[in-house]
Amino acid sequence: NAGVMQNPRHLVRRRGQEARLRCSPMKGHSHVYWYRQLPEEGLKFMVYLQKENIIDESGMPKERFSAEFPKEGPSILRIQQVVRGDSAAYFCASSPAGGRLEAFFGQGTRLTVV
Amino acid sequence: DQQVKQNSPSLSVQEGRISILNCDYTNSMFDYFLWYKKYPAEGPTFLISISSIKDKNEDGRFTVFLNKSAKHLSLHIVPSQPGDSAVYFCAARRTTDSWGKLQFGAGTQVVVTP
Repeated sequence: NAGVMQNPRHLVRRRGQEARLRCSPMKGHSHVYWYRQLPEEGLKFMVYLQKENIIDESGMPKERFSAEFPKEGPSILRIQQVVRGDSAAYFCASSPAGGRLEAFFGQGTRLTVV
Repeated sequence: DQQVKQNSPSLSVQEGRISILNCDYTNSMFDYFLWYKKYPAEGPTFLISISSIKDKNEDGRFTVFLNKSAKHLSLHIVPSQPGDSAVYFCAARRTTDSWGKLQFGAGTQVVVTP
């Protein structure tokens, strides 16, 4: 029973490039949450998605960041024109429909912008 | 605006002794609280939770206490073991938020010494 799978584990991008982070939820889970952890800080909520729908994107920066969770395939967090301040660990969590179980987190993607 | 605060960035405790981690919150709309444990290069793992209608929840070596009037919760680990060395995050959820939308504290690094 695989857990939440994130790839890549490490991603290095030059300033101005695009970063794509992937998250495959646990089997049977249809809700996905993305979090960002900056150095020396706690995790900050970014976006909550269900299949083909963005439910809550109140934590997403207004520009350059987008997320999707298509009918087939993993959820994608896309960061366009990355800047040094985007360097962080990005975690994905998933939960089943109806909630009532704590969200399970993936191992994260560490993005480094050089 | 940090609504969940863990004021002790680190804690050192001897093996076999009790570890007490503290967490304060400011938002009275929080009604569910969780503790997560995180090892380096891994995602957070759910430990224990408590609803605002309770003041204590126990699971094995882990007990969480909630003092609503003081907006304070604590995690007790007894006895502490070397494998407990990790970063511990306190998290909270508002009544109106989705199940996986959490606000995290900055974490407390626990080191259990032999």
